[in-house]
Amino acid sequence: DSGVTQTPKHLITATGQRVTLRCSPRSGDLSVYWYQQSLDQGLQFLIQYYNGEERAKGNILERFSAQQFPDLHSELNLSSLELGDSALYFCASSVGGFGEKLFFGSGTQLSVL
Amino acid sequence: EDQVTQSPEALRLQEGESSSLNCSYTVSGLRGLFWYRQDPGKGPEFLFTLYSAGEEKEKERLKATLTKKESFLHITAPKPEDSATYLCAVQIMDTGRRALTFGSGTRLQVQP
Repeated sequence: DSGVTQTPKHLITATGQRVTLRCSPRSGDLSVYWYQQSLDQGLQFLIQYYNGEERAKGNILERFSAQQFPDLHSELNLSSLELGDSALYFCASSVGGFGEKLFFGSGTQLSVL
Repeated sequence: EDQVTQSPEALRLQEGESSSLNCSYTVSGLRGLFWYRQDPGKGPEFLFTLYSAGEEKEKERLKATLTKKESFLHITAPKPEDSATYLCAVQIMDTGRRALTFGSGTRLQVQP
């Protein structure tokens, strides 16, 4: 158990809908990272937050947004969903803000039908 | 553009048959190279970090090595429980781009 909690584990929705994925980092970790994993793209970095502020941005679509709350949990919002957004979404956390050793959650499997 | 390439894509070994996985990288200043293990339906689990050419790290049947162009994950006398996807990732010096860039992984299957 990595100590990183992601909910829900599975999410099935329709095209055009909006969903929210939630992540609670390990106790004491200030950074939260979101990654998307699909069969053809591998593990792709989306966005990082450090102590409530956006620290780095990767290949995140404009339809996607995230935030980190004062209690350090994070939410990833995906809107206007398309079939191609179906993937496994991972949250990871680390103590510092510079992408060192990451601890990953078990992921949220998103299926857009 | 930073690139990480892993080979082979898939590897099937007999129990006890040693082998190596390769991770080659092209980055603008390497800060660290990471190896992770991922089991089906789970998130990646950290194995090693290597920071400089010539560095080696070991854990049970796994040994990771690093050169200026590539890293190897050597698996000695593997067991079926070593079956997993092994991912390597690089972190670059640019403080604005410190998030890890992952390779596509090597799927390892160890048969009894």
